[in-house]
Amino acid sequence: GNSVTQMEGPVTLSEEAFLTINCTYTATGYPSLFWYVQYPGEGLQLLLKATKADDKGSNKGFEATYRKETTSFHLEKGSVQVSDSAVYFCALTRTSGTYKYIFGTGTRLKVLA
Amino acid sequence: GAVVSQHPSRVICKSGTSVKIECRSLDFQATTMFWYRQFPKKSLMLMATSNEGSKATYEQGVEKDKFLINHASLTLSTLTVTSAHPEDSSFYICSAPGSGGGGELFFGEGSRLTVL
Repeated sequence: GNSVTQMEGPVTLSEEAFLTINCTYTATGYPSLFWYVQYPGEGLQLLLKATKADDKGSNKGFEATYRKETTSFHLEKGSVQVSDSAVYFCALTRTSGTYKYIFGTGTRLKVLA
Repeated sequence: GAVVSQHPSRVICKSGTSVKIECRSLDFQATTMFWYRQFPKKSLMLMATSNEGSKATYEQGVEKDKFLINHASLTLSTLTVTSAHPEDSSFYICSAPGSGGGGELFFGEGSRLTVL
């Protein structure tokens, strides 16, 4: 069945460091891929998404490219800030055109000043 | 963006009692809402799909009689954990799709249930 695998956290970085959070997936068909972020005390928010192979989603300096050949959707940011400290979830839609998601386990990022 | 609000954010109850959690879409209508459960260091697991005006659709392995879902209006869905036990303690999160399409879900802040 469909699944999402994220790197284990927590990830601790210094401010302005480069960030990569790995995400790989298994899926039948052509899922859409998402990154959601959960700041402390808040609900999940969409960070970026990609709906087909080779699409690049980007937002707030974060980027992720839908790689069908490696079944990956790694999240990157060139220079993290303390305010980026949060839990990041990779997700895919289980069936094209629906809102049934499969989530990864989440990766906690802590950025130190 | 669309706002989804959950209440209460935290609830503690005694074993054997029932607890109701509300999920509201504040500035949009949601004919469908999703209820998730999140265990520590685990991913969000879809429990059920709440459908306005009809019965909820439960995922495999989720007890319908334990987790009662009611979607009485276009802006409100409720999850009632009946006869709660300590193993029901968890973080429950609701979400709703926005009206603009595109696959995005809007999430509530979550409700942490602790059953003593």
